[in-house]
Amino acid sequence: GAVVSQHPSWVICKSGTSVKIECRSLDFQATTMFWYRQFPKQSLMLMATSNEGSKATYEQGVEKDKFLINHASLTLSTLTVTSAHPEDSSFYICSARVDMGNQPQHFGDGTRLSIL
Amino acid sequence: AQRVTQPEKLLSVFKGAPVELKCNYSYSGSPELFWYVQYSRQRLQLLLRHISRESIKGFTADLNKGETSFHLKKPFAQEEDSAMYYCVINKLTFGTGTQLKVEL
Repeated sequence: GAVVSQHPSWVICKSGTSVKIECRSLDFQATTMFWYRQFPKQSLMLMATSNEGSKATYEQGVEKDKFLINHASLTLSTLTVTSAHPEDSSFYICSARVDMGNQPQHFGDGTRLSIL
Repeated sequence: AQRVTQPEKLLSVFKGAPVELKCNYSYSGSPELFWYVQYSRQRLQLLLRHISRESIKGFTADLNKGETSFHLKKPFAQEEDSAMYYCVINKLTFGTGTQLKVEL
């Protein structure tokens, strides 16, 4: 079946560091990838929709300069949290789908980001 | 705007008992509704979608447009059903999730 790999699974770093999270579709080409953020004991909140070869579409309230998204190929999207601060600590999850017919989203395992 | 409401944060049932996880939505158009499940230490995965009208692992969900609901049901709960369940509308808006715990 379709597998989405997310890397790293957990990262701890100092305040002010920029952190890059990768989302790869391993056995299918994903025209669209989604980035979610999940706070403890809360639901997933969509941050942005990433389309291959074009700019990402950000949800209201999400700073595009803070959360840089690049979707350079049909199998890779990256989320860079720039100059991360403790309030950026969260669980980040990506999903990918093929925009053909009624295809479901396939989720990665998520990345736990902890900023000290 | 679209919204999904899952009123129960936690639902605990005994093995063999019926299960109903509630989901209500608000959306002005014709919605696509899904249930996703996340087992302990595993990734989110699609459980079922309303257009398929299928039964997966004994679970079913019927879209009731009059009541704007998409409740997830299973007649006899099993221990392996313990997980977090999310109701999702149009693929992008998640409910807050319901933790199902099936006790022996």
